[in-house]
Amino acid sequence: GENVEQHPSTLSVQEGDSAVIKCTYSDSASNYFPWYKQELGKRPQLIIDIRSNVGEKKDQRIAVTLNKTAKHFSLHITETQPEDSAVYFCAASGAGDKLSFGAGTTVTVRA
Amino acid sequence: NAGVMQNPRHLVRRRGQEARLRCSPMKGHSHVYWYRQLPEEGLKFMVYLQKENIIDESGMPKERFSAEFPKEGPSILRIQQVVRGDSAAYFCASSRLGQGRDEQFFGPGTRLTVL
Repeated sequence: GENVEQHPSTLSVQEGDSAVIKCTYSDSASNYFPWYKQELGKRPQLIIDIRSNVGEKKDQRIAVTLNKTAKHFSLHITETQPEDSAVYFCAASGAGDKLSFGAGTTVTVRA
Repeated sequence: NAGVMQNPRHLVRRRGQEARLRCSPMKGHSHVYWYRQLPEEGLKFMVYLQKENIIDESGMPKERFSAEFPKEGPSILRIQQVVRGDSAAYFCASSRLGQGRDEQFFGPGTRLTVL
């Protein structure tokens, strides 16, 4: 089955700096890669996703890149703000539809 | 359009009791997924259902756990004879289309505590 690894497990950044989270996956058949943000005690919420026919996608301060050859994808948050503090999860899925999640990255934005 | 609903939000059971977790997908969604999240860990896939059918249950323990999604009513995740290790947050998600063609929307979760 799919195995998704995520790094780092914790990330502390100064407000206004960028944050980068990296994930690798094992199943070359995976073709959908969403990123979820989860605040303490809340539900995971999709913040951006990318499909395998695209190498990069951007939505305001958030961008995701995908390298299918190397089987890794990354989340980039620019101009971080305190409200960006949360746990971020990457995930991957293929034709089977179930999402395989990374272990999560706890992002803390220091004011 | 109401989001994914789950109830109860918190459930306390003693060892050996049964736990029933309910999930009502978003309107128009016929695909439901259940995930388990242990404290400070990621979400682990358990089971994927489409109305009246179990599509993939590869992440669900073979014993004590069962899931259904009847033609009418919510999806139910049932845990029999609960043990302390079952304590976790259980999230369900729904999507309109299957085969990874559509976003999965998550419910607020049910936090199960086994005493």
